[in-house]
This record gives sequence, structure tokens and C-alpha cells, in this order.
Amino acid sequence: EPEVTQTPSHQVTQMGQEVILRCVPISNHLYFYWYRQILGQKVEFLVSFYNNEISEKSEIFDDQFSVERPDGSNFTLKIRSTKLEDSAMYFCASSEWETHTDTQYFGPGTRLTVL
Amino acid sequence: AQTVTQSQPEMSVQEAETVTLSCTYDTSESDYYLFWYKQPPSRQMILVIRQEAYKQQNATENRFSVNFQKAAKSFSLKISDSQLGDAAMYFCAYRSDTGNQFYFGTGTSLTVIP
Repeated sequence: EPEVTQTPSHQVTQMGQEVILRCVPISNHLYFYWYRQILGQKVEFLVSFYNNEISEKSEIFDDQFSVERPDGSNFTLKIRSTKLEDSAMYFCASSEWETHTDTQYFGPGTRLTVL
Repeated sequence: AQTVTQSQPEMSVQEAETVTLSCTYDTSESDYYLFWYKQPPSRQMILVIRQEAYKQQNATENRFSVNFQKAAKSFSLKISDSQLGDAAMYFCAYRSDTGNQFYFGTGTSLTVIP
């Protein structure tokens, strides 16, 4: 069964550095999402993306964050200048449609540690 | 904003027994969708079961069923005949009919005891 994949599984970076988290959504899916989970807290929505543009974003998704689909397979989340509070597990998800009944398929996550 | 609460951080169940995981949510909307996702260790979240709020009948998927109480805003997951492979973190999630973001609970870690 097709799966969403994410790389790397763990990323360690220094505060102020830029990081790019990568995701390969399921190939025939059209909608892509990023979520994050700070340790011990809830999984929180960051952004959704369709047709090469952001369709919805949360207040967490400020100017330090950006998303891109640089080619036909990858979907990336960039954090320009990481802060300590960006340390979290970041989940990518994709869905075939945006309908309310559609399932979002999640990747295994990238654990980001900011030192 | 909608909130989802899972009041049981950890649960355990004997193999072959039944366990119920609790979830409550807060919303002012009448149409929405509720989900249970399972996340095994070091694996991705996978959908276990889904419920449309406009449906009165509780969803069932093999050994997994829900008890959806719309008035009480409660959405519990029952796992029957628990198996070792059911051990995982379980997340309850809410999705509005008008948006595409999910609101998650903090999760319940389920241990299955052989």
C-alpha cells in the first residue's frame, strides 16, 4: 500500500539555522499538509497546500515557515531561522481530495531538535 | 477553535479483552467529522475509523467501533478482542465540514498485555 515518506527521520540543528524537511506524498494525491507535535502536546495543523499554493494555514505558520513543491514528487517545509521552540515532531500528510470525507495519510514524521 | 480532549494518557488491556478509549470535543458546528488514528511505535499514523456527525449510526470497522454521542460531544473507541498489534498511540481528531485542518487530541498510549 502506498505510504507517505519523510526525510530525515531526525534533524538536529543550531538555533538560527535554516532547515528543510522533506516529504514524498502518495503519488496520485493532490492535497498536502504539514502538522507538528511538540513533545507532550497535541498534534497541531500548520498548513495545507494545493495546486502549488497554500490553501489554509494556522497562526503558527508565520513568515519563518514556507512550503514548496519543487518537483513532481517532493513537498518541503522550510524553517528559515530556527528557534528553540521549533523543536517538535513534524508530520506530513496527503489526501487525494479535499472533501470532508477524505482520509489524510500521514508520514512517520521528522523529529526536529533545535539546540 | 475546536478542541479535542483525550483524558487517558495511558491505557492497558489484556490480550483478547476489550478496551475503550475516551475522546470528547468542543464545537459549535453541527456538521463535522471525527476520526481515530493509530500510530504504532516509529510508524506513521493510520486511520482506524471515521464518523460523520450527521450519521446517527455508530461506525464499525472489524474489531473497532465507536460510541458517538453527539449531544454529549463524546466519541469513544472500543477495541474488541485486543491483539498485540493494537499496541500504539491512538489519536482522536476532529475536522470541520468547512475546513481541511484536523484538530487532534493529545493521544492515548495503549499497551496490550500478553
